[in-house]
Amino acid sequence: QQQVKQSPQSLIVQKGGISIINCAYENTAFDYFPWYQQFPGKGPALLIAIRPDVSEKKEGRFTISFNKSAKQFSLHIMDSQPGDSATYFCAASMGNFNKFYFGSGTKLNVKP
Amino acid sequence: DAGITQSPRYKITETGRQVTLMCHQTWSHSYMFWYRQDLGHGLRLIYYSAAADITDKGEVPDGYVVSRSKTENFPLTLESATRSQTSVYFCASSEPGHGGELFFGEGSRLTVL
Repeated sequence: QQQVKQSPQSLIVQKGGISIINCAYENTAFDYFPWYQQFPGKGPALLIAIRPDVSEKKEGRFTISFNKSAKQFSLHIMDSQPGDSATYFCAASMGNFNKFYFGSGTKLNVKP
Repeated sequence: DAGITQSPRYKITETGRQVTLMCHQTWSHSYMFWYRQDLGHGLRLIYYSAAADITDKGEVPDGYVVSRSKTENFPLTLESATRSQTSVYFCASSEPGHGGELFFGEGSRLTVL
């Protein structure tokens, strides 16, 4: 049973558009929700993260929206650029960070 | 250079053979992890370690063995490789006091024929 469900599997966005990736979880004990970005041939790298005590976190063009009651969170990439083309993973963790549960990933392609 | 180094980066082996993937980190992070990445499944945790000589199972541990005799090394062994273990394997480390961020290596692509 997948702990974190991610959609869509792939996404094509025009340069300058908004990319939106969604994740849902069931376990209410999760208290840390990061997003990782992965370029081809590389390992994932932390992009942005949020805790459930806030509904939104913004870092530059990247925003996490968090809906605790719906057990959903999403990544918004504003003014998407070709350099944002990568695979994005949402994840969830609880307590002392010894286990992270990842979504299945979204391959984003930003067309110039 | 500081960071996580995985070796080999690419490996082709045959069914039934033993394979060891190496992972070395220079940060002295307490936690180390092994994930496998498969299309449609994302990253799945195989094993993790909270410190030297302390290891525990993740989501998909069957067919894998780990050890951690030194803080900086965390090898992953496939004792008798199967085709279903064809995957890209990522080692990662973290220090809980630093917000739990996972630092990943560049991956080891394993093909089992």
